[in-house]
Amino acid sequence: NAGVTQTPKFRVLKTGQSMTLLCAQDMNHEYMYWYRQDPGMGLRLIHYSVGEGTTAKGEVPDGYNVSRLKKQNFLLGLESAAPSQTSVYFCASSYSRTGLGNTGELFFGEGSRLTVL
Amino acid sequence: RKEVEQDPGPFNVPEGATVAFNCTYSNSASQSFFWYRQDCRKEPKLLMSVYSSGNEDGRFTAQLNRASQYISLLIRDSKLSDSATYLCVVIGGGSTLGRLYFGRGTQLTVWP
Repeated sequence: NAGVTQTPKFRVLKTGQSMTLLCAQDMNHEYMYWYRQDPGMGLRLIHYSVGEGTTAKGEVPDGYNVSRLKKQNFLLGLESAAPSQTSVYFCASSYSRTGLGNTGELFFGEGSRLTVL
Repeated sequence: RKEVEQDPGPFNVPEGATVAFNCTYSNSASQSFFWYRQDCRKEPKLLMSVYSSGNEDGRFTAQLNRASQYISLLIRDSKLSDSATYLCVVIGGGSTLGRLYFGRGTQLTVWP
């Protein structure tokens, strides 16, 4: 059972380049999330999706776009990468909306390490 | 003020020691509370939920104090394998209902 899979796991970009991170989950989860994790900052929510065809902004959405064309996939795009976007990106999914009577458990992918030079 | 505050540590303890972490949260309407564990260069994984009455899972005990707005994690008889970063997670209430807030994490190293 793969759970949540992120690709690529590592990437080095030059400033101004674009790229897309792919997240795929095989648990039939409705909710999917993209976080970034920086030293001393903890996990910060970039964008999230409450179902196929929907997306919403999180805490730090600027410079990123997302799409959820299929329920199992959640794509994170960087149109013009900046050094400030050097980070570890985690995708996560959950069965239902956190805080509404469920366990609150998020299932995370292994992370994608992005360096922008 | 940040939604969730944790002492980053590091906590360095010998095997067999008892260690406790605290985490404070700012929103009194917060609904649910959790501890996640994150190993070095790995993804976070749920360790345990925190209930109002307190709960225990083997060597791990979690407590919630709503009056003082903090949660705690107690690890007894520490093992080398407990070395990790422990993340406090709070689910918001009121205007932030459903929103997950992560603490920055507390680093624990257990030495032989």
